Amino acid sequence: GAGVSQSPSNKVTEKGKDVELRCDPISGHTALYWYRQSLGQGLEFLIYFQGNSAPDKSGLPSDRFSAERTGGSVSTLTIQRTQQEDSAVYLCASSNFAGDGNTEAFFGQGTRLTVV
Amino acid sequence: AQTVTQSQPEMSVQEAETVTLSCTYDTSENNYYLFWYKQPPSRQMILVIRQEAYKQQNATENRFSVNFQKAAKSFSLKISDSQLGDTAMYFCAFMTDNDKIIFGKGTRLHILP
Repeated sequence: GAGVSQSPSNKVTEKGKDVELRCDPISGHTALYWYRQSLGQGLEFLIYFQGNSAPDKSGLPSDRFSAERTGGSVSTLTIQRTQQEDSAVYLCASSNFAGDGNTEAFFGQGTRLTVV
Repeated sequence: AQTVTQSQPEMSVQEAETVTLSCTYDTSENNYYLFWYKQPPSRQMILVIRQEAYKQQNATENRFSVNFQKAAKSFSLKISDSQLGDTAMYFCAFMTDNDKIIFGKGTRLHILP
């Protein structure tokens, strides 16, 4: 596709259930990022992929959070045993490191997760 | 560790006025990129303007321009002739090659009619 695609766009889940959030980056982008944004707040870094490797997982809030990326493309963020404080918008971005002055991160529309 | 600081949580200006959003950052890197992103109520993040650290000339994009002061590690955004559609959350961001992007906490900008 032309842009970064995230699914689902909205997810309501019961406390204690597991959820999977998907990100489909722009084709050819080697870098992929996950951020969490609570209502009206800034972007909290979660994890970053370079290809299929995650050089920086420092932002994952707890061991209930994990992410993987396969084939250097699609990434899945998994939250196990969801808690109400996990409710937020989860944003994914991908980047090209063009090196020609056109480097930027392109964002998806986000997944709004509500834990009830 | 790299950090990005936006000291203005919220600002309001009248339509057609000029407004400046401030951003400072901290890094030991010499080569990096700086960005301003806009997030309207639709929540879609949109790139407003970008600056490569090795370029001394300040970037401009139509009504948007930056004041990049590398020694002071400052990267402010100026919006000229502000429009109602400029109302949004604005995030300053920092990136080095092959590394994560770090965002400031954002400035909520209101353009008043």
